[in-house]
This record gives sequence, C-alpha cells and structure tokens, in this order.
Amino acid sequence: QSALTQPPSASGSPGQSVTISCTGTSSDVGAWNYVSWYQQHPGKAPKVMIYDVNKRPSGVPDRFSGSKSGNTASLTVSGLQAEDEADYYCCSYAGANNMVFGGGTKVTVL
Amino acid sequence: QVQLEESGPGLVKPSETLSLTCGVSGYSISSGYYWGWIRQPPGKGLEWIAYGFHSGATYYNPSLKSRVTISVDTSKNQLSLMVNSVTAADTAVYYCASSRTYYSFDYWGQGTQVTVSS
Repeated sequence: QSALTQPPSASGSPGQSVTISCTGTSSDVGAWNYVSWYQQHPGKAPKVMIYDVNKRPSGVPDRFSGSKSGNTASLTVSGLQAEDEADYYCCSYAGANNMVFGGGTKVTVL
Repeated sequence: QVQLEESGPGLVKPSETLSLTCGVSGYSISSGYYWGWIRQPPGKGLEWIAYGFHSGATYYNPSLKSRVTISVDTSKNQLSLMVNSVTAADTAVYYCASSRTYYSFDYWGQGTQVTVSS
C-alpha cells in the first residue's frame, strides 16, 4: 500500500483558517469512513484530533474539523492559534486489516 | 485513562533482532481494545507496523509482515514487538498505541528511539 498524499506545508496567520488535504485511493480514503488526523509537536507523541472522518475526541477544540469527498479527506483548523503550529498526519483504514498514514504536513502560524 | 510506556535497547546491530516492550497502565488489556505499534524514522512520517488483540489475533503491515511479530501478554498487561534482520532503515522512534475500534489510535506512549548501527 502507498502512503496517503499530503502537502508538505501549510500556513496561516493567527485567527485565520488553514485546510490540509489528504489524498488516497478508492481502496482506502474513498472506501471507508475511517480517516483520522493526528497532531504532533516536535519531540512529542502524536495526538488524535479527528477520527471517523469528522468526530472530535473529548477535549479537542471545536476549531478542528474534518471532512471527506471522494478519495480526499481534509482537516480544517479555524481561528489559528500559536499552539496549533505542529505536524499533522492523516491516517486511513485501507481494508484487509491495513492502516496507512499520510506523509505529514507542517503547519506554520505566521 | 490508558497510559503506555515503551522500553527497549536503544541500539541494535544490523542483522540482529529488535525487541520492544510496552507496559500498559490504567486499563486491563484483557478487557478489549486493540494494541499496536507505529514507528517514525528520523525526520519522516508515521508508519503503522502491527496490531494485537487480547484474544491472540494479530494484524500486520504487509510490507513488514515477514520480519515482525507482535504479542499481547495479558498476565503482564503489556505488548511486545520483535523485528528480525534489522537494517539502518529500521532506525526510528517506535510508539505503542491503543485503539478502541481499530480505526484510530486513541492513546500513545511517549516513544522509544531505536538506532540500528554497528
């Protein structure tokens, strides 16, 4: 299986919104509503921000939202804050008990 | 709250076997959840390695399946990972993680650095 495709970087000013795309295929992102998103600060473990395409775990701000259209999933961070500066990874179920991650996107708050 | 803590050798020689352990606290492995390993090479992205379940069921990344073994020990409330015939490409931070549903990784350990070098 191939990694999901994410843009290497994205940026926005405080208060603005940034959207990160995650493109897969009809065998992974397009086939299942099991896309999750993870935030990772330098030297730290990843933290789940979105699961099942658009669900937020308890404690995750509602500034974070997820969606999916066809083979592409998206994570939107609204009202950007300094602490949102991090790497973000998407992940999808790929069938046959397989999980596949994206290459990651570095979000910079200008 | 599930807490996970990885432990391992830090340095492994090429062609040898890497063995890692993840201790689980705050939850009994035998109660359910899926227990997995994910790794991150330096400066690179995340790669799912494997899942284990308390029943003994195991699930592997096809690209690593021939060299990897995951096991879940309910008596010790821990999971383990073995990677055979390691090369420099196996150098990474290795994370253990738990999942309620299989389809997302809900809790993560802090990770353990493994370097493959002679």
